[in-house]
Amino acid sequence: NAGVTQTPKFRVLKTGQSMTLLCAQDMNHEYMYWYRQDPGMGLRLIHYSVGEGTTAKGEVPDGYNVSRLKKQNFLLGLESAAPSQTSVYFCASSYFGQGVGNIQYFGAGTRLSVL
Amino acid sequence: GDSVTQMEGPVTLSEEAFLTINCTYTATGYPSLFWYVQYPGEGLQLLLKATKADDKGSNKGFEATYRKETTSFHLEKGSVQVSDSAVYFCATNTNAGKSTFGDGTTLTVKP
Repeated sequence: NAGVTQTPKFRVLKTGQSMTLLCAQDMNHEYMYWYRQDPGMGLRLIHYSVGEGTTAKGEVPDGYNVSRLKKQNFLLGLESAAPSQTSVYFCASSYFGQGVGNIQYFGAGTRLSVL
Repeated sequence: GDSVTQMEGPVTLSEEAFLTINCTYTATGYPSLFWYVQYPGEGLQLLLKATKADDKGSNKGFEATYRKETTSFHLEKGSVQVSDSAVYFCATNTNAGKSTFGDGTTLTVKP
């Protein structure tokens, strides 16, 4: 059982380039999330999805777009990368259960550098 | 909206020392509370949880009790090991779709 898989693991971009980060989960979870993690700033939610075909903005959505065309996949796009987007990106998925709450399962992260 | 405040780190302890990492929250409604742990180079993983007041979550020797009256969920371990060195995140969830995370507390345990 792979859980949450992120590709790629590392990427270096030049300012203005575009790229797509892929997240795949095999747990049939409804909810999926993209976060960025920067030193001293914890986790910040970029975008999230509560089901196939739906997306919503999180805390820091500017400069990013997302798509959830299939339930198991959640794509994060950077249309024109900026140095401020240098970060570690984490994808997560979850289900919400009565008496369980919303337990999130995280991928291993994508380390992105924008020069 | 919800917010989570964690004890600032970093925290450095000797092996077998007692650990407390404070966490307080503000939330509307009745949140579920979580502690996640992040080992170097990895994503976060659930350490323990509590879904209602006075519940105690426990795992791997770590414990935390849901205190509604003080809106707290402090993480404790009686005797830490070098392998416990990691970043610990407190989190709340009241909205089924989203959780709110604290900034994380870095723990280093020295032999």
